[in-house]
Amino acid sequence: NAGVTQTPKFQVLKTGQSMTLQCAQDMNHNSMYWYRQDPGMGLRLIYYSASEGTTDKGEVPNGYNVSRLNKREFSLRLESAAPSQTSVYFCASALAGLSYEQYFGPGTRLTVT
Amino acid sequence: RKEVEQDPGPFNVPEGATVAFNCTYSNSASQSFFWYRQDCRKEPKLLMSVYSSGNEDGRFTAQLNRASQYISLLIRDSKLSDSATYLCVVSMEYGNKLVFGAGTILRVKS
Repeated sequence: NAGVTQTPKFQVLKTGQSMTLQCAQDMNHNSMYWYRQDPGMGLRLIYYSASEGTTDKGEVPNGYNVSRLNKREFSLRLESAAPSQTSVYFCASALAGLSYEQYFGPGTRLTVT
Repeated sequence: RKEVEQDPGPFNVPEGATVAFNCTYSNSASQSFFWYRQDCRKEPKLLMSVYSSGNEDGRFTAQLNRASQYISLLIRDSKLSDSATYLCVVSMEYGNKLVFGAGTILRVKS
């Protein structure tokens, strides 16, 4: 039981490049989330998926797109990376809804130069 | 005003000390409250949920004051292994999301 896995762990991009961050969970959770964490700030929600087949914007969705590929997988795509997207990205999953514990993946450290 | 505010610290305490963290939130309609712990360069992990009646888990006690819109975390008999960042987390039903505070850094020293 791996929990929540994320790939890659580290990535360096040049401005304008694109990439997809992958996330998968094996806990049969319904809800999945993408956050970014910047120094001195709390985790900020980028997008979430309350259940398979649905996605919704969070607090900071601009510059990102997501795909809930199936119940297990939720990917985050940067179409044209910008230096402001340098951050640590965490994927999380929860059984359902906000009253349940969120389980986080180990994070992806992204640098955009 | 931030939706969730915490004192960033750091709190530097000796082993065995008692330390308390407070957190305030802006949305009176919030229903779910949590404390998460985050070790350096690691992912956040749930420390405990916070209930209206207050709850205790070993050396950790969490309390909720809805009238004043704040949450507290008390750590007794601090251990070196308690050194981490403690994140206050509150649900925001209108946006169907959790809002994370920026965290309070705790450093326990021998």
